[in-house]
Amino acid sequence: SQQGEEDPQALSIQEGENATMNCSYKTSINNLQWYRQNSGRGLVHLILIRSNEREKHSGRLRVTLDTSKKSSSLLITASRAADTASYFCATDAKGSYIPTFGRGTSLIVHP
Amino acid sequence: DAGVTQSPTHLIKTRGQQVTLRCSPKSGHDTVSWYQQALGQGPQFIFQYYEEEERQRGNFPDRFSGHQFPNYSSELNVNALLLGDSALYLCASTPLTGQETQYFGPGTRLLVL
Repeated sequence: SQQGEEDPQALSIQEGENATMNCSYKTSINNLQWYRQNSGRGLVHLILIRSNEREKHSGRLRVTLDTSKKSSSLLITASRAADTASYFCATDAKGSYIPTFGRGTSLIVHP
Repeated sequence: DAGVTQSPTHLIKTRGQQVTLRCSPKSGHDTVSWYQQALGQGPQFIFQYYEEEERQRGNFPDRFSGHQFPNYSSELNVNALLLGDSALYLCASTPLTGQETQYFGPGTRLLVL
């Protein structure tokens, strides 16, 4: 079963616009991670946010975590065509350090 | 410094056959996890190996088995292949410090006909 669920399933934007993806999960977590996957290849780790953190930044990425709503968001600012990929959230449920992935958001950035 | 490598990149098998996939972790990493990713889905955890032992296992049948060697490389074996086993199989490694971040290989795409 999927612990995290991303929303929307697909997102199409123009280069330069911001892209926001959301992730909801069901059980208490140790941390939440976001990954990117290009064209069915390996996943690349983007950012990790711990359950006691509310916001984290890395370059053009901003991640927020609301543990009361069991949700997280990933914001990509000033998007580029190279950001076209699938984005997954992965959660480590408390008592387990195995990340459980959602189905992902497919992002297309048009040049 | 090589990242996580997997072989082969692509594989075609027929139902009932057996397959072995291989993974070499990133240098300095001792823990290897395997995932199955069906088309349009997120990766599903199969199992994790540490110190040559299976440490955790996901909801996969016994047809899925693995092994870790003293050099930390790992194999995933799938017996009695089913059409539904067609997927991208991903290997991920984590370092000796036990950090949560996993480093993924490019995957092996398995097609079962």
